Amino acid sequence: AAGVIQSPRHLIKEKRETATLKCYPIPRHDTVYWYQQGPGQDPQFLISFYEKMQSDKGSIPDRFSAQQFSDYHSELNMSSLELGDSALYFCASSDRVKMVAEAFFGQGTRLTVV
Amino acid sequence: DQQVKQNSPSLSVQEGRISILNCDYTNSMFDYFLWYKKYPAEGPTFLISISSIKDKNEDGRFTVFLNKSAKHLSLHIVPSQPGDSAVYFCAASARTSGSRLTFGEGTQLTVNP
Repeated sequence: AAGVIQSPRHLIKEKRETATLKCYPIPRHDTVYWYQQGPGQDPQFLISFYEKMQSDKGSIPDRFSAQQFSDYHSELNMSSLELGDSALYFCASSDRVKMVAEAFFGQGTRLTVV
Repeated sequence: DQQVKQNSPSLSVQEGRISILNCDYTNSMFDYFLWYKKYPAEGPTFLISISSIKDKNEDGRFTVFLNKSAKHLSLHIVPSQPGDSAVYFCAASARTSGSRLTFGEGTQLTVNP
C-alpha cells in the first residue's frame, strides 16, 4: 500500500539559508500535518491543512510557512534557518472524511543546520 | 506544559512475557487516543487507537485500556517479541483541535530473547 512520501530524507543547510521540505500524502487522504521532533523529544505539531486550506496551527515559527497544493502534496518552507531548527520533520496524512484521527506518518526529513 | 506524559523512559521485558506501557493525560478535551511505534530513522507507525466512549480495544497481541476518570491509558503487548523493541509513543487528539496529535515523551521498549 502507498505510504506518505517525504523528500528529501536528509538535508544539510547553513545558518540563514532556506529549506523546502516536501510531502506526498497517502492517495485520497485529505489532511496533511507537519510535526517537528528535536533530539530526544516527542514530535511537536507545527501546522495542518485540510482540503488545501490551513486547518490548524501549532508551534510553528514565523520564519516557517507551508501550503497544500491542488494535488494534495504539501511543502514546508523554512527561512533564516537557525541551529535550533535541526530536527526530524515528519509529515502525516489522514482521511478526515472518515472522521478518524489515525494519522499515517512519512519516514521524515532530517534537517541539519550548520 | 506536557499534556501527555509517559513517565517510564524505558522498559525491558523477556520474550513471551507481557509488556505494559503507561500513559497519563491532563487535557479533559482529549477524546481519541493512539499508540505509535517508532524505529530509529523511521516515522512513527500507527499501532492501535481507542475512542473515549470505549474502555478497551484489542487488535491481535495489542490491547489498549482507557480509564477516563483517572485520565490514564495503557498498552498491553502479549506475548512480547524481540521485534517489538522500539520506542512507543502515546498520542491524544481532541475533535475541537482538528485532530492534531499531542504526543507523550515515548517509552523505549526492549524485549530480550
